[in-house]
This record gives sequence, structure tokens and C-alpha cells, in this order.
Amino acid sequence: GAVVSQHPSWVICKSGTSVKIECRSLDFQATTMFWYRQFPKQSLMLMATSNEGSKATYEQGVEKDKFLINHASLTLSTLTVTSAHPEDSSFYICSAGEASGGAAKQYFGPGTRLTVT
Amino acid sequence: QKEVEQDPGPLSVPEGAIVSLNCTYSNSAFQYFMWYRQYSRKGPELLMYTYSSGNKEDGRFTAQVDKSSKYISLFIRDSQPSDSATYLCAMNYGGATNKLIFGTGTLLAVQP
Repeated sequence: GAVVSQHPSWVICKSGTSVKIECRSLDFQATTMFWYRQFPKQSLMLMATSNEGSKATYEQGVEKDKFLINHASLTLSTLTVTSAHPEDSSFYICSAGEASGGAAKQYFGPGTRLTVT
Repeated sequence: QKEVEQDPGPLSVPEGAIVSLNCTYSNSAFQYFMWYRQYSRKGPELLMYTYSSGNKEDGRFTAQVDKSSKYISLFIRDSQPSDSATYLCAMNYGGATNKLIFGTGTLLAVQP
């Protein structure tokens, strides 16, 4: 199956700093990638849809100036959490869509655990 | 009303049991239906992917879609302790750019 990687797998940062998370599709090209966050014992919450070469589409309630998304190539999307605060501590997961015949299977990365102190 | 409803569980079964996991949805435009398995502190893993109504089998797993009832199921036969995880149903309208709509996930524990 298709493989999606994320880096780093976990990160601890101080309040007020910025953190960048990378999402890569390793063996397929993904025109669209998705970014989610997940709180303990809760389901995935979609933050934004990232399309290669264009601006990301953010879900309602997600601050686009705080969560910067860049999709520079067909295999790489990045999420930057700017001026992080403790309430941004969460599990961030990306997924990449592998298009086939008009449908799309989405494969998820292993996630990045962010802790803001 | 949520677009996708899923019983959060937890569901506890003995090893070897048949497990039935279910989701209902409200939007008849959904075309593609998926089941993901998520272990604690890991990303979801795609288990089953089906299009429209019908059954699909892969090893111990069977996915069923009944579009007339807006109901999907995942059956796990001969359940193993390693199947203990959260199972998420997801669906969308199709296409590489379309987002998934997830259920809340069902936590399954298979007791040895």
C-alpha cells in the first residue's frame, strides 16, 4: 500500500515559538493532502485541505494565519504552527489522496505529537 | 444531526468472536466508504475501501454497504487481541480532492 511519512514524530517547543511539520507521500504523487488534529479519545478533526501549487482551504474555525500550510510539490506538504501556545498541543496527522479512476484512497501518516510548554 | 454516526463503544469481546462495527449516515451523495484502524498514538491505517452498495471481503474482514438504508458495516471474524484498536468509518463523494467525513470511531478490545 501507499506510504505517507511525517517528520518529526514528536516535538516539544516553548510557548511563542513556531514548529514545522512535514508530510511526504513516499511512493505516489498526491495532488491533495489533508491536515488533521486529534485530541485524546476523540476522532480526527480536519483542519485544512492542501492542494499542490495553490492556497490551502481551511475548515471553519481554523486560523489560517496560525496554521500555515504549504504544498510545494506533489510529494510534500508542510504545516507550520506559528506562535504556538499550550492549547495547540495535540496530535497532528496528515493524509494524502491517491487518485485512481476518479476515486481517491486516503493514506495517513503516523502523526506528530506536539507539546507546547 | 451529524453526517456520520458511529457508536463510540467501548466494545469488548473474547478472542475468536465475530465483531460487528456499524455506521449510519445521512447524505445519500456519499459514494465511497472506508474503514480505518487506528492504534493508540498512531495514524489511521486503511483497512477496507468500497464503492457503492455491496460486500467486500479481505481476509478476516468484510465490509458491507447498504446505500438504501444509509448503513455500513465492518465484520471481523476470528478476532484477535491484535485487533484491539479504534475503528473509524469514513466516506466521501469521490475524487482526489474531496475530504473524508469520519465517524467518531469505535474502541474495540479483544480479550485473550
